[in-house]
Amino acid sequence: DAGVIQSPRHEVTEMGQEVTLRCKPISGHNSLFWYRQTMMRGLELLIYFNNNVPIDDSGMPEDRFSAKMPNASFSTLKIQPSEPRDSAVYFCASSLAVSGNTIYFGEGSWLTVV
Amino acid sequence: EDQVTQSPEALRLQEGESSSLNCSYTVSGLRGLFWYRQDPGKGPEFLFTLYSAGEEKEKERLKATLTKKESFLHITAPKPEDSATYLCAVQADTGGFKTIFGAGTRLFVKA
Repeated sequence: DAGVIQSPRHEVTEMGQEVTLRCKPISGHNSLFWYRQTMMRGLELLIYFNNNVPIDDSGMPEDRFSAKMPNASFSTLKIQPSEPRDSAVYFCASSLAVSGNTIYFGEGSWLTVV
Repeated sequence: EDQVTQSPEALRLQEGESSSLNCSYTVSGLRGLFWYRQDPGKGPEFLFTLYSAGEEKEKERLKATLTKKESFLHITAPKPEDSATYLCAVQADTGGFKTIFGAGTRLFVKA
């Protein structure tokens, strides 16, 4: 079975540009998570969805960040405008929305904002 | 506030030298504790889930144990290919399906 699929794998963009990261969760999973990983802060949960509905976005750093899940097989994380401090690895993960269930990660999108 | 603390930050072992990694957690109610392995340039790879104190799980040279306040990942006779970052995460009763991670332990195993 295909795992969580993320695109792009690598992106270099200039400060001020819009960045869109994409995620396809594992088929049948109904929870989707966006994490950000940096050396300084480790893995931080940005937002998660259950059945395509955002449940907790308290980790979204500021209004420049937005996430959508228009259907069960696709989600986007958008940064507009991007800043150098947004440089990080962004991971998408999915699971079945069952208490204590394991979440499975994609390979990440490596973002560099110059 | 739910918290996960891992120690040590980094661990250097000789091949065959067994050791343990620690994960201390503070949550209002534990739904699950997870261990992941992360290799450079890759996403975290699931290893184990533990649900209640006293539970143990094993996979090859790895064994995970759980108490009411901490979990240990025991590595028996490690090999260089066990070198990676090991992440601990918890899902709490009050967090919906929110899963929070510790900072990880970077393990280096020298041949």
